[in-house]
Amino acid sequence: EVQLVESGGGLVQPGGSLRLSCAASGFTFSSYEMNWVRQAPGKGLEWVSYISSSGSTIYYADSVKGRFTISRDNAKNSLYLQMNSLRAEDTAVYYCARERVWEQWDAFDIWGQGTMVTVSS
Amino acid sequence: EIVMTQSPATLSVSPGERATLSCRASQSVSSNLAWYQQKPGQAPRLLIYGASTRATGIPARFSGSGSGTEFTLTISSLQSEDFAVYYCQQYNNWWTFGQGTKVEIK
Repeated sequence: EVQLVESGGGLVQPGGSLRLSCAASGFTFSSYEMNWVRQAPGKGLEWVSYISSSGSTIYYADSVKGRFTISRDNAKNSLYLQMNSLRAEDTAVYYCARERVWEQWDAFDIWGQGTMVTVSS
Repeated sequence: EIVMTQSPATLSVSPGERATLSCRASQSVSSNLAWYQQKPGQAPRLLIYGASTRATGIPARFSGSGSGTEFTLTISSLQSEDFAVYYCQQYNNWWTFGQGTKVEIK
């Protein structure tokens, strides 16, 4: 079964750090581009970060640039998001999502169940 | 940044009826548009990519159309499991989502 499972969420104080993990199974992880997407409580979806299949190309949303770092370990079939200098507005469910490409189209075809990050004192 | 605007915010529909959801881009995204369905407490699920191609396992009652800046998701005959929030997403320039349309039971 193709699956993504996030972990590492929790309660952290403003200014603190947290590292999220996403474990992939059921597919060749090293062949796929991956993303992190977040959703604040009661709000819509916000793309956070992208990493290419090899890890050589990385992008961030302006809202997290300079504070978050995406990485991957293809040998461990795992994706990571290191979050530093956390703010209250970073409070959200964080999803990892696989990016699939069909000819010239692409979309996020597999999503994890999400992990909740709460930034509060 | 390309801004995606969905309308209406909430759509009240009776089971068996047709639902039409709209998504507008602030600039052309060609056909680089996807639609997702999200139910409470669940992750989003991909419905449509390339503006009009159904993802694997998606029922034929879901259809997408449009290109450029105007897009539509149509659910031809609403089933009970279709009441959810629907998001459009452009991937022509980075990735941005619309704010969502909630389809509720009338």
